[in-house]
Amino acid sequence: QPVLTQPPSSSASPGESARLTCTLPSDINVGSYNIYWYQQKPGSPPRYLLYYYSDSDKGQGSGVPSRFSGSKDASANTGILLISGLQSEDEADYYCMIWPSNAPRVFGGGTKLTVL
Amino acid sequence: EVQLVESGGGLVKPGGSLRLSCAASGFTFSSYSMNWVRQAPGKGLEWVSSISSSSSYIYYADSVKGRFTISRDNAKNSLYLQMNSLRAEDTAVYYCARDYTAVAVNIPGDYWGQGTLVTVSS
Repeated sequence: QPVLTQPPSSSASPGESARLTCTLPSDINVGSYNIYWYQQKPGSPPRYLLYYYSDSDKGQGSGVPSRFSGSKDASANTGILLISGLQSEDEADYYCMIWPSNAPRVFGGGTKLTVL
Repeated sequence: EVQLVESGGGLVKPGGSLRLSCAASGFTFSSYSMNWVRQAPGKGLEWVSSISSSSSYIYYADSVKGRFTISRDNAKNSLYLQMNSLRAEDTAVYYCARDYTAVAVNIPGDYWGQGTLVTVSS
């Protein structure tokens, strides 16, 4: 079962951008997978944000602001969630996930984003 | 409005059993695959089990295989998780989550319930 690595914490100031990463193990090519992103605020269930496969194959969750976007860094085998124009309400835990064919879906360990 | 409401959580002794339910409304339940995802206190998310719309396909995480059974009743718009041989490490909030599937797009967990807490302790 693959392990997705997310930094435990990240911080940025209001109005700035936050770049959250999700690194896949070296034997799994990030280019082959949709990377799904979820947001979870304290005491609430996760909320689906978006998925990213490529610039021509991506999707935003219902009601999710365009400030949230996805991308990949193939050289680092990493999926990226970019949050631009940070707002205090963006302070939350963020989880990435992949869903391999014929295999269990796997979540990353999550990143706690603090808006300073 | 899509709503998923879990119930059935509580305190159970190690080795005991519990049955979770998820009542769905606001969408055509019989058309969607459904899932259970859990979150141990202070920890991350762990996918537990999935069931297809007609119950033809069922999957489990290795950590629960042989102990948990997922099922659904489309006539009652309900999803279930029968949990047997419970262990302390099964202590978690259990979420019910819907999968959205359309042509060329799969969205796992597009809607989630509020969760129900299962505590396994003597």
